[in-house]
Amino acid sequence: GDSVTQMEGPVTLSEEAFLTINCTYTATGYPSLFWYVQYPGEGLQLLLKATKADDKGSNKGFEATYRKETTSFHLEKGSVQVSDSAVYFCALLSGGYQKVTFGTGTKLQVIP
Amino acid sequence: NAGVTQTPKFQVLKTGQSMTLQCAQDMNHEYMSWYRQDPGMGLRLIHYSVGAGITDQGEVPNGYNVSRSTTEDFPLRLLSAAPSQTSVYFCASRSGTRSKNEQFFGPGTRLTVL
Repeated sequence: GDSVTQMEGPVTLSEEAFLTINCTYTATGYPSLFWYVQYPGEGLQLLLKATKADDKGSNKGFEATYRKETTSFHLEKGSVQVSDSAVYFCALLSGGYQKVTFGTGTKLQVIP
Repeated sequence: NAGVTQTPKFQVLKTGQSMTLQCAQDMNHEYMSWYRQDPGMGLRLIHYSVGAGITDQGEVPNGYNVSRSTTEDFPLRLLSAAPSQTSVYFCASRSGTRSKNEQFFGPGTRLTVL
């Protein structure tokens, strides 16, 4: 079945550091890939997405590229801010587009 | 648009009690889902629906029932609450169109079962 594996956290970075959160997936066909962010006490919200191979999703300085050859969708940001502290979830949608599969989430803490 | 709304925000139950978590969306989305979120376990799918009158089980359906009589509403029923059902519950909806297939989440219901 479909699965998403993302790096375990927590990840602690200093402000302005470079961020990478790894995400790899297993799926049949051509899934859509997503990164969601969850701030404390809130629901998840879409950060970025990509629907086909080599697409790059971007939003708020975050980027991720859909790499079919390595089945990866790593999240990157060049310079993190304290306000980026949250839990980040990688997810995919495939198999007739009925169910979304989530990774276990990576907690990011950015310190001033 | 209100998006996805959930009620209540907080609930405390005693073991054996039943209750219904409400979820509604005003985006005319075909797909709706219920998840539970537990520490260290990410999101687990409880039940989902691909349209009014159609529901199916996710990975952790035991102890929960759902129905989808309208496009807008997707209530989750706990039949006989157990402490293992203490969790945060999220409802989500999405379009069936590939170009707009991201999920929209409600704010969550924090449930404690004593």
